[in-house]
Amino acid sequence: AQKITQTQPGMFVQEKEAVTLDCTYDTSDPSYGLFWYKQPSSGEMIFLIYQGSYDQQNATEGRYSLNFQKARKSANLVISASQLGDSAMYFCAMRPILTGFQKLVFGTGTRLLVSP
Amino acid sequence: SQTIHQWPATLVQPVGSPLSLECTVEGTSNPNLYWYRQAAGRGLQLLFYSIGIDQISSEVPQNLSASRPQDRQFILSSKKLLLSDSGFYLCAWSVQQGGADTQYFGPGTRLTVL
Repeated sequence: AQKITQTQPGMFVQEKEAVTLDCTYDTSDPSYGLFWYKQPSSGEMIFLIYQGSYDQQNATEGRYSLNFQKARKSANLVISASQLGDSAMYFCAMRPILTGFQKLVFGTGTRLLVSP
Repeated sequence: SQTIHQWPATLVQPVGSPLSLECTVEGTSNPNLYWYRQAAGRGLQLLFYSIGIDQISSEVPQNLSASRPQDRQFILSSKKLLLSDSGFYLCAWSVQQGGADTQYFGPGTRLTVL
């Protein structure tokens, strides 16, 4: 069974600084995908970034990058140059890459607050 | 581009009343569709998923049901709501493109059962 652990219930960062949100995972599947989603107060889950377990390079999408350390089973999200609009809940998720339907497993989330 | 719609955005219903939440996707064909529930301050719980018309799988036994009458339409229903059905309901879609397909979520429906 897969498990996602986000140990930081809340994080604070000042505007324009970088912040790292932690995510560790546990799986016995040889291939899997890792995802990060942002959930602002409006409730919508916004897809941010994806990392495949087989990818040689860390994923990047604009100000978001994923610090993937396979041996340590961690997939931390790095947000550079934080903005006030980054204040939200952030969820890490993973899914095995296998044939047939595979469930997307979410962590409990980290609430990020960006201050001016 | 693809878009996903959910309605209503908010709903207040008495215990024992019926429920119908609708989700539609535009700009893609034969998507996988999902219904999730998020209780206040909690993570997401997968309720149902569908890989095609009239092909529904349930993840959690409960008094909710789902239907997919058209390729891009997914409906969540209940005949009699319980207090515990309160929560934030999210619909999502994905398309298998090799690797782990990414799920994209709708704006959600906030349901309060009184």
